[in-house]
Amino acid sequence: NAGVTQTPKFRVLKTGQSMTLLCAQDMNHEYMYWYRQDPGMGLRLIHYSVGEGTTAKGEVPDGYNVSRLKKQNFLLGLESAAPSQTSVYFCASSYTPTSSETQYFGPGTRLLVL
Amino acid sequence: AQSVTQLGSHVSVSEGALVLLRCNYSSSVPPYLFWYVQYPNQGLQLLLKYTSAATLVKGINGFEAEFKKSETSFHLTKPSAHMSDAAEYFCAVRPGYSGGYQKVTFGIGTKLQVIP
Repeated sequence: NAGVTQTPKFRVLKTGQSMTLLCAQDMNHEYMYWYRQDPGMGLRLIHYSVGEGTTAKGEVPDGYNVSRLKKQNFLLGLESAAPSQTSVYFCASSYTPTSSETQYFGPGTRLLVL
Repeated sequence: AQSVTQLGSHVSVSEGALVLLRCNYSSSVPPYLFWYVQYPNQGLQLLLKYTSAATLVKGINGFEAEFKKSETSFHLTKPSAHMSDAAEYFCAVRPGYSGGYQKVTFGIGTKLQVIP
């Protein structure tokens, strides 16, 4: 049982390049989330998904797109990377949408945009 | 609306001393509260959570937190710090509703340093 995995672990991009971050979970969780973590700002939600085929915007969605074609996978895309998108990106999942449900986090992807 | 304030972005304690990490919340509805820990180069993992049952919540690794509604606080404590407790700790809040997506708001984190 691998939990939540993220690919890649680290990436360097040039401004304007595109890339896709992959998140996979093997816990049959319904909900999945993408966060970014920046110093002094905690975690901020980019997008989330309440089930296969559905996505919704979080608090900082601009410049990102997501897809959830399969229940176990949640992809985060950067169409045209900008230096402001330099961050650590975390994927998380939770089993049900109930308020007390724990979120399980992946190990993170460090992205540097030059 | 909801928010979380973590007092002190960095806290240093000696090994064996009391650990106290402060968290105050604001919520327009009864909240559910969480503490997560992040070790270097890892994702967050749940330490403990308050879900309107007992106000004193015990978590993993000897940590506990007490929900105090009158003070809108959910401070994290551990009687005796261990070197392995060095990490960053995040307090989080979400509305105490069931069903449907409920936004989780995270604090900015407190880095705990344990001095030998």
